[in-house]
Amino acid sequence: EPEVTQTPSHQVTQMGQEVILRCVPISNHLYFYWYRQILGQKVEFLVSFYNNEISEKSEIFDDQFSVERPDGSNFTLKIRSTKLEDSAMYFCASSTGTYNEQFFGPGTRLTVL
Amino acid sequence: KQEVTQIPAALSVPEGENLVLNCSFTDSAIYNLQWFRQDPGKGLTSLLLIQSSQREQTSGRLNASLDKSSGRSTLYIAASQPGDSATYLCAVKNSWGKLQFGAGTQVVVTP
Repeated sequence: EPEVTQTPSHQVTQMGQEVILRCVPISNHLYFYWYRQILGQKVEFLVSFYNNEISEKSEIFDDQFSVERPDGSNFTLKIRSTKLEDSAMYFCASSTGTYNEQFFGPGTRLTVL
Repeated sequence: KQEVTQIPAALSVPEGENLVLNCSFTDSAIYNLQWFRQDPGKGLTSLLLIQSSQREQTSGRLNASLDKSSGRSTLYIAASQPGDSATYLCAVKNSWGKLQFGAGTQVVVTP
């Protein structure tokens, strides 16, 4: 069964460093999303992406964050200068349509020291 | 502003008992509602999607109901098994892109 994959599974970085989290959505999906979950808290929406542009973003998704679909299969989230409070599990998701079921990847645990 | 609440936060039942998980939301103008399962340290597994025009959706032992006007959804899991132990999350979509999540109900099914 097709699934969303994410790499790496765990990333440790120093505060102020740039990180890129990678996702491969399900191949026939057109809508892509990033969410995050700080330990012990709710899953929070970051951004949605369709047709090579951001369609919606949350107030969390400030200028330190960017997303890109560099080729036909990958979808990336970049954090330019990480802060301690960026430590969280980051989930990528994809769907065939904006009102359709979203399928999530296994997540990347980001630890900022 | 949409708020999604799941009560109780935790639930423990003996194997074989039916599970009833509740989700409430404050803004009834939703497009759909999705139920997920999350195992510790893992990703989210989609269980059921129920569109705003639907009252009910079923998959195997799982049945989800939706009462949009009262802002409630219930997930029923029949004949629970120890393998059903996990955290169950509900999420509503009331804008173009995002899902908004509840905090989840942590379920333990004891043998």
